[in-house]
Amino acid sequence: KQEVTQIPAALSVPEGENLVLNCSFTDSAIYNLQWFRQDPGKGLTSLLLIQSSQREQTSGRLNASLDKSSGRSTLYIAASQPGDSATYLCAVLLVKYSGAGSYQLTFGKGTKLSVIP
Amino acid sequence: DTGVSQDPRHKITKRGQNVTFRCDPISEHNRLYWYRQTLGQGPEFLTYFQNEAQLEKSRLLSDRFSAERPKGSFSTLEIQRTEQGDSAMYLCASSLGQGKLTDTQYFGPGTRLTVL
Repeated sequence: KQEVTQIPAALSVPEGENLVLNCSFTDSAIYNLQWFRQDPGKGLTSLLLIQSSQREQTSGRLNASLDKSSGRSTLYIAASQPGDSATYLCAVLLVKYSGAGSYQLTFGKGTKLSVIP
Repeated sequence: DTGVSQDPRHKITKRGQNVTFRCDPISEHNRLYWYRQTLGQGPEFLTYFQNEAQLEKSRLLSDRFSAERPKGSFSTLEIQRTEQGDSAMYLCASSLGQGKLTDTQYFGPGTRLTVL
């Protein structure tokens, strides 16, 4: 069974700092990995999606890397802003075989980020 | 606003009652997903549809849960004989769904269920 762990569970940084969020997973045979953002009481917003064949993706101040062999991904946020405060979730997709049980999307518990003005 | 809507946003019910939630995906999206999220946890996958076909059901989806997408557009998730353990946020997502499972999912705001 795939397990996804996110460290730290919570992080508080002053505005302007660069920061790194970590995600690890136990089964490296993933199809893709996504980073999401969730604001309190709301749904998820997809930030970056990395295919299993890719090593990183960038969008604005965000950069996500993927190391399948070690079962790790990092989300780098540059020049953090108070508006970045949210919970960041990592999710890995396994597509193992056709038929029942082929689609397995597993989320971590998230890292709650607070950026202090 | 991602364009995925869910109704109702909040539902309070007594144990043993049946509840039904609705999700309207982005109009041209072929895939629709349901997730459940409890406090302090990440979302847990429940099921997904490709058009009107339900292609995958998690083991979390007990016999009391049923999901439909009759015309390949909106979807409903029904929980029969609710239990207190069903209290959670129920999230719906949709994706374009052409070809491989690589496309971005767009999430709705969720329906928060409280079972008393």
